[in-house]
Order: sequence, then C-alpha cells, then structure tokens
Amino acid sequence: GAVVSQHPSRVICKSGTSVKIECRSLDFQATTMFWYRQFPKQSLMLMATSNEGSKATYEQGVEKDKFLINHASLTLSTLTVTSAHPEDSSFYICSAGLAGGGKNIQYFGAGTRLSVL
Amino acid sequence: GESVGLHLPTLSVQEGDNSIINCAYSNSASDYFIWYKQESGKGPQFIIDIRSNMDKRQGQRVTVLLNKTVKHLSLQIAATQPGDSAVYFCAERTGGSYIPTFGRGTSLIVHP
Repeated sequence: GAVVSQHPSRVICKSGTSVKIECRSLDFQATTMFWYRQFPKQSLMLMATSNEGSKATYEQGVEKDKFLINHASLTLSTLTVTSAHPEDSSFYICSAGLAGGGKNIQYFGAGTRLSVL
Repeated sequence: GESVGLHLPTLSVQEGDNSIINCAYSNSASDYFIWYKQESGKGPQFIIDIRSNMDKRQGQRVTVLLNKTVKHLSLQIAATQPGDSAVYFCAERTGGSYIPTFGRGTSLIVHP
C-alpha cells in the first residue's frame, strides 16, 4: 500500500510555543490530505481538509488561526499548532487520499503525540 | 444526525480463536465501507473494504460481511493472533468522497 510519513512522532513543548507537524506522501502524489485529532480511547475527529495550492477547509468548531495548514506541494502538508496550550495536547494524525480502481482510499500517517506543558 | 457505531467496545479472545467485530451504520446512502486497524500510538491501517453492491469480501485471514437490510457490517478475523490486538474502526463513505465517517472503535484483546 501507499506510504504516508508523519513527523515528528512525538513532541513535548512549553505552553505558548508553536509546533509544526509534517505529513508526506512518499510514493504518490496527493492533491488532498486530511488532518485528524484523536483523544484517548476515542475515534478520529476530522479537523480539516488540506488542498494543494489552495486554502484548507476546516470542520466546524476548529479554529483556523489556531491550526494553520499549508499544502505547498503534492507530497507535503503541514499543520502548525500556534501558541499551544495544555488543552491542545492530543494525538494528531494526517492522511492522504489515493485514487485507483474506482475507489479513493485514505492512507494514514503514524501520528504525532503532542504534549503541551 | 446519521452515524456509524459499534456494538462492542471491547472484545477479548484466545489466541487461535476466530474474532468477530460488529458495526452498525445508519446512513442508508453509504455505499463504501472500510475497516481500519489502529495499534497503540500509531495511525489507522487499512485492512479491507467493501462496496455496497457486495455482501462479502475476503482477504488474508479477514472477511468483511455487509448486510444492507439491517445496516450491519462485520469484520471476521480467522485464527486470531496476539499481533491482531488493536482498536478496530469501521468507516463509511458516501459517493466518491475521500472522507470517511469513523465509528467509535472496538478494542480487540488477544490472550496468548
């Protein structure tokens, strides 16, 4: 299957700092990538859809100024958590869509564990 | 609103047994279903999918069954192994959308 690389896998930061998470599709081009947030023992919550060359589409309730998304190329999307606070601590997961065989399948990165002190 | 849900939040089985994880969905317009496996601290991994024009699909040690009449989806794992221990999510999609709606998840625990 397709490979999506997410970096870093874990980050610990002080309150007020900004954190950038990278998501790369390694062996395919993805015009659309997705960012999810997952709390412990809960399902994935879609935060935003990242579109190459255009603005991201945010889900209701997600602050676009807080979670900055940039999709500068067909293989890279970044999520920046600005002025992070302890309530932003969570597991963030990206995915990239790959079309083929009449299906569009999302392939997920390994996730980033963010801990804000 | 319509949603996808799971009957059992935790399933414990013995190594070698067959496992069945169930999922109920309520969106009758859903036409594509996916099972993902998520190991602790990792992202979801695609396991198997099925279109709504099918009622069964088999993979390696896994089988997905779809019953559209009662809007029910199941994942069967044959000869369950400790490495199968993970949280399993069903997801449904409508049309050609990339974006699946995830169910709550079932934690599968395999005892050696």
